[in-house]
Order: sequence, then C-alpha cells, then structure tokens
Amino acid sequence: DAKTTQPNSMESNEEEPVHLPCNHSTISGTDYIHWYRQLPSQGPEYVIHGLTSNVNNRMASLAIAEDRKSSTLILHRATLRDAAVYYCILRDRGGSNYKLTFGKGTLLTVNP
Amino acid sequence: SAVISQKPSRDICQRGTSLTIQCQVDSQVTMMFWYRQQPGQSLTLIATANQGSEATYESGFVIDKFPISRPNLTFSTLTVSNMSPEDSSIYLCSVETPGVGAGVYGYTFGSGTRLTVV
Repeated sequence: DAKTTQPNSMESNEEEPVHLPCNHSTISGTDYIHWYRQLPSQGPEYVIHGLTSNVNNRMASLAIAEDRKSSTLILHRATLRDAAVYYCILRDRGGSNYKLTFGKGTLLTVNP
Repeated sequence: SAVISQKPSRDICQRGTSLTIQCQVDSQVTMMFWYRQQPGQSLTLIATANQGSEATYESGFVIDKFPISRPNLTFSTLTVSNMSPEDSSIYLCSVETPGVGAGVYGYTFGSGTRLTVV
C-alpha cells in the first residue's frame, strides 16, 4: 500500500475550522483516500473518503489536490468531541487485498 | 453500517495463559480483520479472516500465537496464546461493510479488548 505522511499533532480552538493535511505522493490511480478517526478508548470510525473530487458529508469535507498527491480533511467547526487521532489511509479500490494499513495519524487537540 | 460486539472489553491475565476474544457482528460479512494496538501506537493488522478458509496472517504474526476461528459470517474469535507482558495491547476486530459509496467499502471497528498481561 502507498504510504501517507501526516503531522504528528495539531491543535485547534473550539468552533474554529481545522485543516488536517495528508501527503501521499506515491498514490496510484486506483487508490481511494480514506480518513478514519479514533476517539479516546474507542475503535476507529469512518470519517470520509474520496478519489479525485472534493467530498462533503455531515462530519467533514475532503479536499483533494489536482495531482492527488495530497489531501486535506476539513472540520468546519471543531468541537471538543472532535479531539481524536485522525488517520489518512490509501486503499486500492481494484485490489483483492482489502486491508487498511494505518500510519501514525495526527493527534488533534481541541481547546475550549 | 454493521454493529460489532467485542468481548471481553478488558482483561488482566497471567503470563503463560491464553485468552480468547470474541467478535460478533449484527449482519453477515465476508471479511473480518483482527488488529493489535500497542500502548501509544497505531493499529497493526494481525490477520484477515474469511469464512470457510484459513486466516491470512501478516508478517510477524503466526497462527500458533494468534489462532483465529471464523465459523460463520457473523462471528470470529482471536486467541492470544502463551501470553507474555509484551502481548499487553488493545485487540480490535473490524469488518468490511458496503455502503459508504458506490463500489467502495468502508470498515467498522469494534471498541476493542484491552489486555494486560502480568
């Protein structure tokens, strides 16, 4: 699986937007970009995914660079509940091996 | 998405013993995964378990240490055998679920089993 690079940690204030970057310069044309987050003492949960176009859902937005070598997860208004480790993961949509490979992720701290 | 029940949620075990962790899903799923998360670390995949076939183990993990059963499409167990303090970790099961997008599968995770070996 292609590797991703994320900052180890980021800090935000409550109700402010948060932009979490992810670099994936070796992404292949068939890789989907997935984001998961892990709240304290819980298993990871799905946040959003995309292939080429920017995506929005009720949790977040995903902005994908035109060359797909980087992406940004956007939380429009951070809440205390958004404090978690955020993982950016590439998954080959065409492969028969469907496993997720986790990197170190970004620890997001949200200040009240 | 699927709902996963993982048991036990935590346990403290003596070294040299074994612990079996159960993962129950509320719907039929083809692929189930077992992960380990060591203290302060990210998740590492142990093995992939498909119903009706042998589990596929990742590099560094062997069946003798982590035997897996997958008797049907809603249930799996992971056994941590002959435990040592180095096995103290959180163990999580995960299933692949459709529906996060056309032709794209997402993953649902259990809340994990926190294992301490003394």
